Amino acid sequence: RKEVEQDPGPFNVPEGATVAFNCTYSNSASQSFFWYRQDCRKEPKLLMSVYSSGNEDGRFTAQLNRASQYISLLIRDSKLSDSATYLCVVKGDNDMRFGAGTRLTVKP
Amino acid sequence: DGGITQSPKYLFRKEGQNVTLSCEQNLNHDAMYWYRQDPGQGLRLIYYSQIVNDFQKGDIAEGYSVSREKKESFPLTVTSAQKNPTAFYLCASTRGGYSPLHFGNGTRLTVT
Repeated sequence: RKEVEQDPGPFNVPEGATVAFNCTYSNSASQSFFWYRQDCRKEPKLLMSVYSSGNEDGRFTAQLNRASQYISLLIRDSKLSDSATYLCVVKGDNDMRFGAGTRLTVKP
Repeated sequence: DGGITQSPKYLFRKEGQNVTLSCEQNLNHDAMYWYRQDPGQGLRLIYYSQIVNDFQKGDIAEGYSVSREKKESFPLTVTSAQKNPTAFYLCASTRGGYSPLHFGNGTRLTVT
């Protein structure tokens, strides 16, 4: 079993749609969690950290469920510019492990 | 400006040659990481280092080697033992604790 697993996607949605991604992790001792965005042939860029109480940044909302060992990302009112691959990242004791990524395409 | 610099951006080598990828950071971060990404795939952890002169293997360390002689530098050597070295290599660093990773721009290595 992979340490971090994501919805495989791809997700193809119209502009204005709401889309949600999930990510599960196997290490119950994991300490911190993040969502990154990666554009084609570029390095990943931090989208947001994920806090236990859940957090929101504009149209983006991240949630953490420690009991079920998953994190989620909700994107509201999707824009064309949201098209990218979204990666979840889980930090264990010292290592940082990535999910395989979920590809999102927002269409006009 | 603080950041992580990877060089070169593109690298071409013949099969059987060792090649070293550079990663330098001026963020004063303690921890540094190397990842490999293949087309359409996620990032896989090769090696990481929490402090100078110490490093640990990740999930796919075979055929790779690293050193951490200075806090700012974490070079990765792709040896001839690595069977499929062509990939996008990403270096990252973090302050540690609950801090996120900061990435360099990556090096695309092609071995023919």
